[in-house]
Amino acid sequence: EAGVVQSPRYKIIEKKQPVAFWCNPISGHNTLYWYLQNLGQGPELLIRYENEEAVDDSQLPKDRFSAERLKGVDSTLKIQPAELGDSAVYLCASSLGANNEQFFGPGTRLTVL
Amino acid sequence: GENVEQHPSTLSVQEGDSAVIKCTYSDSASNYFPWYKQELGKGPQLIIDIRSNVGEKKDQRIAVTLNKTAKHFSLHITETQPEDSAVYFCAAKIQGAQKLVFGQGTRLTINP
Repeated sequence: EAGVVQSPRYKIIEKKQPVAFWCNPISGHNTLYWYLQNLGQGPELLIRYENEEAVDDSQLPKDRFSAERLKGVDSTLKIQPAELGDSAVYLCASSLGANNEQFFGPGTRLTVL
Repeated sequence: GENVEQHPSTLSVQEGDSAVIKCTYSDSASNYFPWYKQELGKGPQLIIDIRSNVGEKKDQRIAVTLNKTAKHFSLHITETQPEDSAVYFCAAKIQGAQKLVFGQGTRLTINP
């Protein structure tokens, strides 16, 4: 069974540019999460989807970050414009439901110059 | 909100010895405590978890203990092997909140 797929794996951009990350969850997983992982830190939740509905986006900086999960499957996370402090790993995870084990993708490492 | 503290930040042990990583949490309503292993360039992978109605859980060489009164839980790895080298994260979930709060991580190095 394929795991959580994320692309790109690495992205280098200049500040003020836009960037987008894509996530394909495990088939059948209704719950999808985006996490931010700074260097040397644990993951921090940005947003959680139940199917296509964002049910917890309280930690998402809405002035520059946006996310969508059309049709309740794949999801994209966008930053516009990117700032130097956005350099981090962006992890996507999915689970059957919010009370089930979360499976993480490999992440996208973003570097903002 | 919930706060999870993890210690130590780095741990180096000889192959075959045991390793212990400790975490404390702040919210007594937390009822689920998973441990994740993250290898370089990969996402975290669940290795063991424990719920608040259990005091200890074991799976081969790894075990987790939970002290609800003191609000701390620990990961124990016995007979360590080089492939155990990784970063380990503890986490806590508040009942009903559906949100995992992670510790800062422990970089474990197993010396051959």
